Amino acid sequence: KQEVTQIPAALSVPEGENLVLNCSFTDSAIYNLQWFRQDPGKGLTSLLLIQSSQREQTSGRLNASLDKSSGRSTLYIAASQPGDSATYLCAHHTGNTDKLIFGTGTRLQVFP
Amino acid sequence: DAGVIQSPRHEVTEMGQEVTLRCKPISGHDYLFWYRQTMMRGLELLIYFNNNVPIDDSGMPEDRFSAKMPNASFSTLKIQPSEPRDSAVYFCASSLQARNQPQHFGDGTRLSIL
Repeated sequence: KQEVTQIPAALSVPEGENLVLNCSFTDSAIYNLQWFRQDPGKGLTSLLLIQSSQREQTSGRLNASLDKSSGRSTLYIAASQPGDSATYLCAHHTGNTDKLIFGTGTRLQVFP
Repeated sequence: DAGVIQSPRHEVTEMGQEVTLRCKPISGHDYLFWYRQTMMRGLELLIYFNNNVPIDDSGMPEDRFSAKMPNASFSTLKIQPSEPRDSAVYFCASSLQARNQPQHFGDGTRLSIL
């Protein structure tokens, strides 16, 4: 069974800190990996998508890396702000299907 | 630019009743996905469509669940009869491609079966 684990499950930090969220997956044949953000009572918003041939993607203060050999991806958030408070989920497509496998999520709170 | 629109946002009903959830995808998106989110099981794919045709419904939990997409701008997820364990948040998402483009999610329907 393919599993996607995210550590930590919850994180509370003061604003301004640089953060690293972790995502581990067991499928060695992933097609790509995505990071999403989910605000309370809302749907998911796609943040970054990394193809399996890529090592990282950047968008503003966000940087996501992918290491297929070790089955890991990290989301780096620079200079965190209270507006970054949300749940962050990683997900990947397997090699031969269109199905997204989601991680368990990290609930982030950034306080002023 | 309108995103994915789901209705209703909240639904509370008694077990045994029929429940119909609705979704309007983003115009031009060929793929539509139905997900269910619970605390215990996280986010699970129920079914997805390509050009209005169901491609994979292996995530549909039981025969009580059915989904249709009569045209490119509308899809429904129906539960009949509903049970308390169906209580969850149901999301609809759409995308231009199945894998190389991100999925755009609606705000979900919070379903409570009493």
